[in-house]
Amino acid sequence: GNSVTQMEGPVTLSEEAFLTINCTYTATGYPSLFWYVQYPGEGLQLLLKATKADDKGSNKGFEATYRKETTSFHLEKGSVQVSDSAVYFCALVLIQGAQKLVFGQGTRLTINP
Amino acid sequence: NAGVTQTPKFRILKIGQSMTLQCTQDMNHNYMYWYRQDPGMGLKLIYYSVGAGITDKGEVPNGYNVSRSTTEDFPLRLELAAPSQTSVYFCASSSSDSYYGYTFGSGTRLTVV
Repeated sequence: GNSVTQMEGPVTLSEEAFLTINCTYTATGYPSLFWYVQYPGEGLQLLLKATKADDKGSNKGFEATYRKETTSFHLEKGSVQVSDSAVYFCALVLIQGAQKLVFGQGTRLTINP
Repeated sequence: NAGVTQTPKFRILKIGQSMTLQCTQDMNHNYMYWYRQDPGMGLKLIYYSVGAGITDKGEVPNGYNVSRSTTEDFPLRLELAAPSQTSVYFCASSSSDSYYGYTFGSGTRLTVV
């Protein structure tokens, strides 16, 4: 089946630290990959995406590269801010069929000033 | 552009009561989804729809029902509420091109007591 595994949280960092949140996936076809962010009390927002191998998604200083050989889509940011505190979800969808998103369990990130 | 609108935002139900969670989107998306998010967990798919008149079960459909009479609306019905249905419910929609990912509503926080 299709699944997504994220590094377990919570993750706590100091402001301006380097961030990596690991994400690996298992899929029967060729998925598109996403990172969603959920700020406290809000719904999920699309952060970035990649649709094929070696694509790099980027937004708001965050980056992730679609690595087919390692089935990974790790999220990185060079210098985090307090405002980045949120829960981050890695997800995949297969283009065929009903395009049901499969989510990882989420990683709670807290940035301290 | 409103996107995906969910109502109500909060609700407390007694065991055995019923209710309908409303979801409306104005983006003319064919695909719509209902997820639940339990504390500290990822999102699990309850039901989904690929178009008006077509619905199908997701990962955790028991205790719920849906209908899709129009492209815009995708209500979720809870019959005989149970404490295990205490959760945050998210509605989402997407176009037929998975490149764009989902648009999520802001969620409904439901407590069953």
